[in-house]
Amino acid sequence: DIVMTQSPDSLAVSLGERATINCKSSQSVLYSSNNKNYLTWYQQKPGQPPKLLIYWASIRESGVPDRFSGSGSGTDFTLTISSLQAEDVAVYYCQQYYTTPCTFGQGTKLEIK
Amino acid sequence: EVQLVESGGGLVQPGGSLKLSCAASGFTFSGSAIHWVRQASGKGLEWVGRIRSEANSYATAYAASVKGRFTISRDDSKNTAYLHMNSLKTEDTAVYYCTRLGNSGSYFDYWGQGTLVTVSS
Repeated sequence: DIVMTQSPDSLAVSLGERATINCKSSQSVLYSSNNKNYLTWYQQKPGQPPKLLIYWASIRESGVPDRFSGSGSGTDFTLTISSLQAEDVAVYYCQQYYTTPCTFGQGTKLEIK
Repeated sequence: EVQLVESGGGLVQPGGSLKLSCAASGFTFSGSAIHWVRQASGKGLEWVGRIRSEANSYATAYAASVKGRFTISRDDSKNTAYLHMNSLKTEDTAVYYCTRLGNSGSYFDYWGQGTLVTVSS
């Protein structure tokens, strides 16, 4: 199974500042046939299901604010929130579906400093 | 509007069985793969398994932790997927979400609100 490792486990950032979350996969999730990374980012707020933020490593889902961006390729990925808002407090998960079973990172808890 | 609604959760004793349902609306259910993901209280997300569409032979796959105990099925005439859970263990206690695999085949674009399964004596 592909192991997804996120860092840090928790993060406190001031409002308006940048937040960066990293995700590393134990093997490449880049599909050579279409040159797409099968890496997804989700946001989960307390008591809610996960919400799709970013897919194919860098494509923002419709309706997601443009302060959220994803980057990376192969095995190393980053989710960046350019200017933290209060409503961004949540746990963020990366996930790969390059191969079955799909696997998630352990999550990164983002809080306001 | 796409909706996924889980039901069937509850309290069950270790070794018992439970069947969860996932009722879908707002999209062509028969053409979509449906996955189940669970989350123990205060923990991360764990993929449980999936069932593909008829066009993909209703193929199923399961996490190692549930293989042989859980079975996923679907009734496209009712726009509903099911998670049949047998030989339940205390470590199966979690909120169970059903989710739709997006058309790209690599991410989950819609999730239900989840149903809580508690395995305890």
